[in-house]
Amino acid sequence: GNSVTQMEGPVTLSEEAFLTINCTYTATGYPSLFWYVQYPGEGLQLLLKATKADDKGSNKGFEATYRKETTSFHLEKGSVQVSDSAVYFCALSVSGSEKLVFGKGTKLTVNP
Amino acid sequence: GAGVSQTPSNKVTEKGKYVELRCDPISGHTALYWYRQSLGQGPEFLIYFQGTGAADDSGLPNDRFFAVRPEGSVSTLKIQRTERGDSAVYLCATTSREKNEQYFGPGTRLTVT
Repeated sequence: GNSVTQMEGPVTLSEEAFLTINCTYTATGYPSLFWYVQYPGEGLQLLLKATKADDKGSNKGFEATYRKETTSFHLEKGSVQVSDSAVYFCALSVSGSEKLVFGKGTKLTVNP
Repeated sequence: GAGVSQTPSNKVTEKGKYVELRCDPISGHTALYWYRQSLGQGPEFLIYFQGTGAADDSGLPNDRFFAVRPEGSVSTLKIQRTERGDSAVYLCATTSREKNEQYFGPGTRLTVT
């Protein structure tokens, strides 16, 4: 079946530190990959996506590259800010099946 | 424009009662999804509508759960004989035909006592 595994949190960083949140997947077919973010008290928002191998999604300084050979879609940011504190979810959808399959989420706290 | 809205934002009910949760999609969005998010977990798929019909209801946990979308817009998730294990945040998401991106509502937090 289809599944997503992401690194367990919580992750605590100081402002301007480098961030990596690991995500690996198992999928039948060729998935599209997503990172969603949930800020405190807000709903889920799409952060970035990639639809095929070697694509790089980017938004708000965050990046993730679709690696088919390692079945990974790790989220990175070079310099985090306090405002990046949130829960981050990796997700996939498989062509022909519209539903999203999510990982368990990783809570990030950035301290000033 | 307005995003996906869900009502109520919070619902507390007693075990065994019936509840209805409502989702108002973004205008013009044809596809609508329901997910359930338990504490500390990622959202789990329940059901997907394309227009008025349920295209995939494979995530509904049992026959106490049912959802409708009679006019292809507003959807209602219905839970009969609620159990404490049904306590979770129920999320609705919609997407347009052109863009394969799901836009999520704020969710309804259901607590069964």
